[in-house]
Amino acid sequence: GAVVSQHPSWVICKSGTSVKIECRSLDFQATTMFWYRQFPKQSLMLMATSNEGSKATYEQGVEKDKFLINHASLTLSTLTVTSAHPEDSSFYICSARDARSVHVYNEQFFGPGTRLTVL
Amino acid sequence: KNQVEQSPQSLIILEGKNCTLQCNYTVSPFSNLRWYKQDTGRGPVSLTIMTFSENTKSNGRYTATLDADTKQSSLHITASQLSDSASYICVVSSSLRGGYNKLIFGAGTRLAVHP
Repeated sequence: GAVVSQHPSWVICKSGTSVKIECRSLDFQATTMFWYRQFPKQSLMLMATSNEGSKATYEQGVEKDKFLINHASLTLSTLTVTSAHPEDSSFYICSARDARSVHVYNEQFFGPGTRLTVL
Repeated sequence: KNQVEQSPQSLIILEGKNCTLQCNYTVSPFSNLRWYKQDTGRGPVSLTIMTFSENTKSNGRYTATLDADTKQSSLHITASQLSDSASYICVVSSSLRGGYNKLIFGAGTRLAVHP
C-alpha cells in the first residue's frame, strides 16, 4: 500500500517549452501533495504544498507563475514547468499524505521522481 | 533556525561491515524524526519513523536511535550489502498549526558499499 507514482520518469525538452509532470497516489486518497526539487548531491527542497480543490502554497523564492500546480482530484496533482530554461533542469519529486493518515506520524509517501533536462 | 545536520557527508565501507550515520537537529516544535534511503535517481523510501517517546526502532538490518534530550539520532546498518549503497536522509518533522507538519531535510550521507 501507499504507492505514489510519477509520470514521466524522465523528460528532455527544448528551452522555452512547457513540461507537465503528474503525481498520482495509486492506492490511497491524498488531500495534500507536496512538490520537491533536488539538485545533484543536494537534499530535497520543498517547492510547494498542494491541497485538493484549492490553490497551492508556494515556498519563498519559488515562482508560482513558472511552476503551475493543479490538484484537481484526491489522487492526482500536476506540476507544469512553464517556459523551461536549462537552470530548471533538476530532479522533481512529489509526495502525498494519506487522507486517513491523521495520526502521530502524519507520514508522506514519496514518488520515484522525474528527471527534467532542458536543452 | 530549524536545521538538520548529518555526518559524515560520505562514507565508504566494505561489504559485510557495520556503520553508523549521525543526525543532529535543532527543530522546534518537534513532531517526529525519519530516516529515508534514497537510491540514485529514485525517490526517498522510509526506513524508520520515531516520535519523541521512542528511543530506538529497527527495520531489518537498520536500527535508528533517538535522543530527544540531546537532539541526536543515529542510523546503524548491520552487515552491509552492496544494495545498501545510497543516500541516507534524516528528516525531522515539525508540528505546525492546524495539524500540519513541515519536513526539514538533512543534506544526507552518501554511503558506498564496496565488495
